[in-house]
Amino acid sequence: AQSVTQLDSQVPVFEEAPVELRCNYSSSVSVYLFWYVQYPNQGLQLLLKYLSGSTLVESINGFEAEFNKSQTSFHLRKPSVHISDTAEYFCAVSSQGAQKLVFGQGTRLTINP
Amino acid sequence: ETGVTQSPTHLIKTRGQQVTLRCSSQSGHNTVSWYQQALGQGPQFIFQYYREEENGRGNFPPRFSGLQFPNYSSELNVNALELDDSALYLCASSPAGGSASYEQYFGPGTRLTVT
Repeated sequence: AQSVTQLDSQVPVFEEAPVELRCNYSSSVSVYLFWYVQYPNQGLQLLLKYLSGSTLVESINGFEAEFNKSQTSFHLRKPSVHISDTAEYFCAVSSQGAQKLVFGQGTRLTINP
Repeated sequence: ETGVTQSPTHLIKTRGQQVTLRCSSQSGHNTVSWYQQALGQGPQFIFQYYREEENGRGNFPPRFSGLQFPNYSSELNVNALELDDSALYLCASSPAGGSASYEQYFGPGTRLTVT
């Protein structure tokens, strides 16, 4: 069975500081990995994805994540955060032939001015 | 391109009642999945529909049921509501074929409160 562990439930950082949100997964087969962002009282927005190819994937708003197969990780990073990045971030995994996304518990990113 | 839409936005029901939630998939997407997100938790997979048939189900009891229509829209029905059914219900759609079929795009959700 697949599972996702997000190691930090809350991450407070100062504006313009770098941030890393950690995600580890377990799966016995090839995986597809995703990060979603959820702003208050909204649904989930796909932030970035790893399906195949380059292990480093980037979003349009400066986030990046690296698929590390040996460490079964897909950590999310941003070199300089903004107040507008304040949100809940969810890591999710799927695998070939599976119908569902399995989500972690989420990490609440709080940006302090 | 129209995104995933859900209705209603909010709903309050009494324990024991039945509820129907609706979802319209994103243009060009033929697969719909439903998730339950309890407060402070990650979404949990309920089931998925493809070509009007259930195509996978999570660990939810039979009182959670669904439908998909020829235009790919979908309904989630919950019978005999319990207090623990209070949650945000999320619908997601995905395109058919290849690795892109694993990408799911979510609607804004329906907030269900059971009293």
